[in-house]
Amino acid sequence: DVKVTQSSRYLVKRTGEKVFLECVQDMDHENMFWYRQDPGLGLRLIYFSYDVKMKEKGDIPEGYSVSREKKERFSLILESASTNQTSMYLCASSLSRIFTNNQPQHFGDGTRLSIL
Amino acid sequence: SQQGEEDPQALSIQEGENATMNCSYKTSINNLQWYRQNSGRGLVHLILIRSNEREKHSGRLRVTLDTSKKSSSLLITASRAADTASYFCATMNSGGYQKVTFGIGTKLQVIP
Repeated sequence: DVKVTQSSRYLVKRTGEKVFLECVQDMDHENMFWYRQDPGLGLRLIYFSYDVKMKEKGDIPEGYSVSREKKERFSLILESASTNQTSMYLCASSLSRIFTNNQPQHFGDGTRLSIL
Repeated sequence: SQQGEEDPQALSIQEGENATMNCSYKTSINNLQWYRQNSGRGLVHLILIRSNEREKHSGRLRVTLDTSKKSSSLLITASRAADTASYFCATMNSGGYQKVTFGIGTKLQVIP
């Protein structure tokens, strides 16, 4: 069965800290995504990656960066955390860049991040 | 901007009743997907309907797609308390790179 694992369910950090959120998938998927979810705004795409060492900006990349050194792992980095980055962060993966259409995304359970 | 917009934003029904949620979108799509999210959890994919399909069934779920009206509906028949969750539509635009745009969701409560 498909499994996307996010390293922490809850995380509390301080303003200005560098924060790492980790995501691992065990399905050999090529595509990986980071979203944030806020009440009334739904899910918004921060970054996605369709291959190792490749990354593409989503709709709200400001204040974030990503790293994909291995196919199964996609990390989201908050360079200098701010209170407006308090949110639920969701990682997802999908199968293949070649078969770009008609593929569902598989989600982790999310990391609820609070920046104090 | 949100591509998919669900309607209603909240819905409360009795167990056994049918639940209908609607989704509207603005641009041409390759497919439309519906996801469920239980409280505090990630999203789970329910069903995908391609732009050249009009209706699709999966168990108690029925999805319709009207590309002329740029809208879709999700029907859950004979609802159960376990169906209580938020439901999201998500669209993949034509020419998209597996980039999917999610709506803000419909919160469904099924009362036992």
